[in-house]
Amino acid sequence: NAGVTQTPKFQVLKTGQSMTLQCAQDMNHEYMSWYRQDPGMGLRLIHYSVGAGITDQGEVPNGYNVSRSTTEDFPLRLLSAAPSQTSVYFCASSLVRGGNTIYFGEGSWLTVV
Amino acid sequence: AQSVAQPEDQVNVAEGNPLTVKCTYSVSGNPYLFWYVQYPNRGLQFLLKYITGDNLVKGSYGFEAEFNKSQTSFHLKKPSALVSDSALYFCAVREGYNNNDMRFGAGTRLTVKP
Repeated sequence: NAGVTQTPKFQVLKTGQSMTLQCAQDMNHEYMSWYRQDPGMGLRLIHYSVGAGITDQGEVPNGYNVSRSTTEDFPLRLLSAAPSQTSVYFCASSLVRGGNTIYFGEGSWLTVV
Repeated sequence: AQSVAQPEDQVNVAEGNPLTVKCTYSVSGNPYLFWYVQYPNRGLQFLLKYITGDNLVKGSYGFEAEFNKSQTSFHLKKPSALVSDSALYFCAVREGYNNNDMRFGAGTRLTVKP
């Protein structure tokens, strides 16, 4: 099993550009989520999904869109990048919404200039 | 709403000495508590959890944590630190069943010196 795979690992964007961070898991997990990690703030939930076709907002959803067309994939779209979106992004999954072990991808470092 | 605090940004210990990384939490009901570790340029890895039962829980790599309800704490401990334990440690709490309600602390950087 590859676990949770994120791409790209590093990206530099110009303000106003859009892009998609890809996330895939091969563990047949129902629950998937996206976090951003900022210094001194821990991880904050952006969006999550409890199954294919179902998504919902987390703590900091503004400026981001998600979709879940398959169980395996959960892409995160930045609609119009802003410097405030410079961060490290983590995709995560668990077997079910209440699964007690969350599996994280290795992260995507995004810089918006 | 639940919240979690890690009062120390940085913890330094010598190899072979015991280590403690502190965590306190706030919830209305019964807490589900977790510790994760992040090595440089990697994602978070699960270390251990407290759901119910024995207040002392054991996890990966020789780590353990003690749930203290009266002090609302869940400190991470290891009897003898290794240089390879140097990493960023996150405490997390959720109150109910849903992982979308999980709240992470800001993290504590542990440095173990030879």
